[in-house]
Amino acid sequence: KAGVTQTPRYLIKTRGQQVTLSCSPISGHRSVSWYQQTPGQGLQFLFEYFSETQRNKGNFPGRFSGRQFSNSRSEMNVSTLELGDSALYLCASSLENTGSPLHFGNGTRLTVT
Amino acid sequence: KNEVEQSPQNLTAQEGEFITINCSYSVGISALHWLQQHPGGGIVSLFMLSSGKKKHGRLIATINIQEKHSSLHITASHPRDSAVYICAVSSTGNQFYFGTGTSLTVIP
Repeated sequence: KAGVTQTPRYLIKTRGQQVTLSCSPISGHRSVSWYQQTPGQGLQFLFEYFSETQRNKGNFPGRFSGRQFSNSRSEMNVSTLELGDSALYLCASSLENTGSPLHFGNGTRLTVT
Repeated sequence: KNEVEQSPQNLTAQEGEFITINCSYSVGISALHWLQQHPGGGIVSLFMLSSGKKKHGRLIATINIQEKHSSLHITASHPRDSAVYICAVSSTGNQFYFGTGTSLTVIP
């Protein structure tokens, strides 16, 4: 069974631009959650989608958004990039978020210059 | 105020030693996760537990719901166990909180 796939692996953007990251979950998993990891703040929860609906949301500004498609693939969008958005963005999939183990992708490393 | 506190932050052990990493949390939880992150960023879920104890190979995880405390034990540690270990909780408020991680180095 293929694992969680995140694309791209690396991305360099300029302040003010927007970016879209993609996450393909393990087949059969309906929950996809997104996380930001930075050296200063560590891992932080962004949001979680289940069956195309955002079910939970962390404490991030509205510039961070996401969506989930009918095949459970998910995208995360960050608009008006700031230098502080430079981070490793991880997604994880599970059968059902709160009751099932999480399976993480390898992440997308975003650098904002 | 951190919802999840881990200790120690850094740990160096000799190969073969018994290792314990502690995690305390302050929110109501539906589950607690122990995660392992190797250099390069990939995260592996080691355990998910809501009560009692789980064992997988040389790794043991325990949780005490009343005391809001969990421990991860590694028996007969090996250099390949060197990684960052992260405690995370799924809260009953449907949020997800992470500890700051414990960086473990096992010396041959």
